[in-house]
Amino acid sequence: NAGVTQTPKFRILKIGQSMTLQCAQDMNHNYMYWYRQDPGMGLKLIYYSVGAGITDKGEVPNGYNVSRSTTEDFPLRLELAAPSQTSVYFCASRSGPPDSNQPQHFGDGTRLSIL
Amino acid sequence: AQTVTQSQPEMSVQEAETVTLSCTYDTSENNYYLFWYKQPPSRQMILVIRQEAYKQQNATENRFSVNFQKAAKSFSLKISDSQLGDTAMYFCAFWGSQGNLIFGKGTKLSVKP
Repeated sequence: NAGVTQTPKFRILKIGQSMTLQCAQDMNHNYMYWYRQDPGMGLKLIYYSVGAGITDKGEVPNGYNVSRSTTEDFPLRLELAAPSQTSVYFCASRSGPPDSNQPQHFGDGTRLSIL
Repeated sequence: AQTVTQSQPEMSVQEAETVTLSCTYDTSENNYYLFWYKQPPSRQMILVIRQEAYKQQNATENRFSVNFQKAAKSFSLKISDSQLGDTAMYFCAFWGSQGNLIFGKGTKLSVKP
């Protein structure tokens, strides 16, 4: 029962560097999401996907890119890391469409620091 | 715009007692879902309880129950017989037609022995 797997768990980047946060789920879920959680705050949606080949922006997409070439994987790309992107990043997936009560399943998060 | 407000940044309760966490939300939708998530120091997001807006009966999961007042747009969480393991951040979340969860800022709950 792997569920949603995020790698890495921790990372420190220098300003201007690039990196990809990996997210994989083994539940055959169509819907996948990336959130960021800043200190003392709730989660904010960065990008989401309703199926392979389909992605859309969430509330805070600037500075990020995503792709969804397979149902299982939904990587998040930071092209030019900035200190404002220091945060904890969560990936989530769910099986049902928006009008169902299926909950989201969350990964354990990636703590990212930009120095 | 849909919003979720948790007005209690921090709360504490004695072990074995009952505590209620508040949540209000704003939406023009009629059908939606509400959730409470628990985030312990391990950072995991754990679903505690969910409520469908079309159901009048309040959801219950063991020691956790909600008081859902649709007209008032209120969705409070009651934890009975509080345990030390309940210490965590608790997030109220709204799920609307756009398909993503909208989170409140959270309430930090401390259960004291």
